[in-house]
Amino acid sequence: SQKIEQNSEALNIQEGKTATLTCNYTNYSPAYLQWYRQDPGRGPVFLLLIRENEKEKRKERLKVTFDTTLKQSLFHITASQPADSATYLCALERGSNYQLIWGAGTKLIIKP
Amino acid sequence: EAQVTQNPRYLITVTGKKLTVTCSQNMNHEYMSWYRQDPGLGLRQIYYSMNVEVTDKGDVPEGYKVSRKEKRNFPLILESPSPNQTSLYFCASVGTSGGETYEQYFGPGTRLTVT
Repeated sequence: SQKIEQNSEALNIQEGKTATLTCNYTNYSPAYLQWYRQDPGRGPVFLLLIRENEKEKRKERLKVTFDTTLKQSLFHITASQPADSATYLCALERGSNYQLIWGAGTKLIIKP
Repeated sequence: EAQVTQNPRYLITVTGKKLTVTCSQNMNHEYMSWYRQDPGLGLRQIYYSMNVEVTDKGDVPEGYKVSRKEKRNFPLILESPSPNQTSLYFCASVGTSGGETYEQYFGPGTRLTVT
């Protein structure tokens, strides 16, 4: 069955640097992959979706890449700010009906 | 404002006492879903609904019930809660109301403790 791996250890980054988070999956390549942001005690908020035929997608300071050969997606935040501190979740399409399989998330801490 | 609401936000109850967590969305979305989130695990789907009167089991449906009598509402029912259902619960809906197709909109969460 499909498994998703996100780094369970918190990622500490200095303000202004680029933060890079990794999402690896083990089985089939999904038709699309999504990234969400989750703040403590709150629901996830959608950030970006990338489809299997797209190599890269950007939104303001965010960039997502999707490598179906490596079975990996990278999520980048450039010019990081303390307000970017949160847990970031990766989710993969797993068939019809909007079904997703979710990673456990990586906690990102941006230090001033 | 487009949103998903859940009530209550916090609930402490005892084993066996039936409870209902409500979920409502104002975006006219057809698809709604319930998840639970536990430390170190990804979101796990409990039940989902493709439309009114159409519901189906997710990955962890045991001990839960749902109903979808109206498009906007999707309540989660725990007939006889047990301590292993202590968790953070999220309701979500999916649609294309101005957002990205497949974007999931989440409620604020309900933290349930069963003693």
